[in-house]
Amino acid sequence: GESVGLHLPTLSVQEGDNSIINCAYSNSASDYFIWYKQESGKGPQFIIDIRSNMDKRQGQRVTVLLNKTVKHLSLQIAATQPGDSAVYFCAEENTGGFKTIFGAGTRLFVKA
Amino acid sequence: DVKVTQSSRYLVKRTGEKVFLECVQDMDHENMFWYRQDPGLGLRLIYFSYDVKMKEKGDIPEGYSVSREKKERFSLILESASTNQTSMYLCASSLLRGRGNQPQHFGDGTRLSIL
Repeated sequence: GESVGLHLPTLSVQEGDNSIINCAYSNSASDYFIWYKQESGKGPQFIIDIRSNMDKRQGQRVTVLLNKTVKHLSLQIAATQPGDSAVYFCAEENTGGFKTIFGAGTRLFVKA
Repeated sequence: DVKVTQSSRYLVKRTGEKVFLECVQDMDHENMFWYRQDPGLGLRLIYFSYDVKMKEKGDIPEGYSVSREKKERFSLILESASTNQTSMYLCASSLLRGRGNQPQHFGDGTRLSIL
């Protein structure tokens, strides 16, 4: 069935290092991808998105990479800070469809 | 910034009660959604709405209903609460009619416990 998965359920990084969170998706018809951050006690917060006509998109300290050949999505966080500690979800959508498929999430721990 | 406000952060109800969860968004978004979030199961869609008085079932609508009488407000109703409905409930909204291509904006959730 359709699914959005994550390779690593938890990731621990040193403050100041770069973080990479990975996501695999299985629906080749998906054409819109989103990363969300969820801090403890809060709802998911939109970080960055990318459409299928792009391979890379950059925001402030974050970069999303899309590899459609292997159906892989990644979120890179530069100079990771303690405030980046959270659960990160990837999600996929199909413009012609009606639902968003969310991954299970990766918990990022930032060590001071 | 978009603000999605859920009326309660924590709620405790008893089995068999009728429970109302309220959600309001302030950005004139057409789409609104209700999810539940459970450990190990991720976000699961209960219901969504494209417009006032419109509703569509999501993946797990059983035991729930919704109401959207005004564009900014989307209510989730547990007709007769059961213990397996203890969960974190998240409301979200997004711009544009239909689905896709715009991120959803979430409230901070209602943690509902059914005793």
